[in-house]
Amino acid sequence: GEDVEQSLFLSVREGDSSVINCTYTDSSSTYLYWYKQEPGAGLQLLTYIFSNMDMKQDQRLTVLLNKKDKHLSLRIADTQTGDSAIYFCAERINDYKLSFGAGTTVTVRA
Amino acid sequence: GAVVSQHPSWVICKSGTSVKIECRSLDFQATTMFWYRQFPKQSLMLMATSNEGSKATYEQGVEKDKFLINHASLTLSTLTVTSAHPEDSSFYICSARARALQGSNQPQHFGDGTRLSIL
Repeated sequence: GEDVEQSLFLSVREGDSSVINCTYTDSSSTYLYWYKQEPGAGLQLLTYIFSNMDMKQDQRLTVLLNKKDKHLSLRIADTQTGDSAIYFCAERINDYKLSFGAGTTVTVRA
Repeated sequence: GAVVSQHPSWVICKSGTSVKIECRSLDFQATTMFWYRQFPKQSLMLMATSNEGSKATYEQGVEKDKFLINHASLTLSTLTVTSAHPEDSSFYICSARARALQGSNQPQHFGDGTRLSIL
């Protein structure tokens, strides 16, 4: 099945770490993605992870994948005000189709 | 790299008008382009997938005669909302994907979206 779930809201203090969680259902997903959407804009690809990996780090971003539990997380270190946005988790269903979660709205407070 | 340009960014028009939205891949060849619709505070809903030079594949429930998609070149796809009505008002987002070897990763790169308001 195609069902990606995320928590809807996250509030974090500037400078702290943010952790956004996502669960998915399709165990055959090969790639999982994190996208960022700022108000009134399209989606910006942040990072992705191949299903045979457990972790991927890219500067302030760390992706953890627990394939057994079908759980994906995105950690943003040293969260800044510019990180306030909606973050979408997506799994690749087949060779081309993505299934998106509902998005997590991250609010960074001073 | 991997820039997708979508135009226009905002359209306001009268009911019954047809509206065309363009999606261009600026620095890569997009063999596949996707059109999504996003309602306020909701996720993206895939409307259709188009491959260059062939007819678009529409998702269930999406009227192909209402939402005309053309993907005439490797850098341009267009979505035309025909005889638009207020219920068609939404945020439309396109994405583009370069050719990928089977099983390899070619992520979708998104345009900035078009806000369509039908009066």
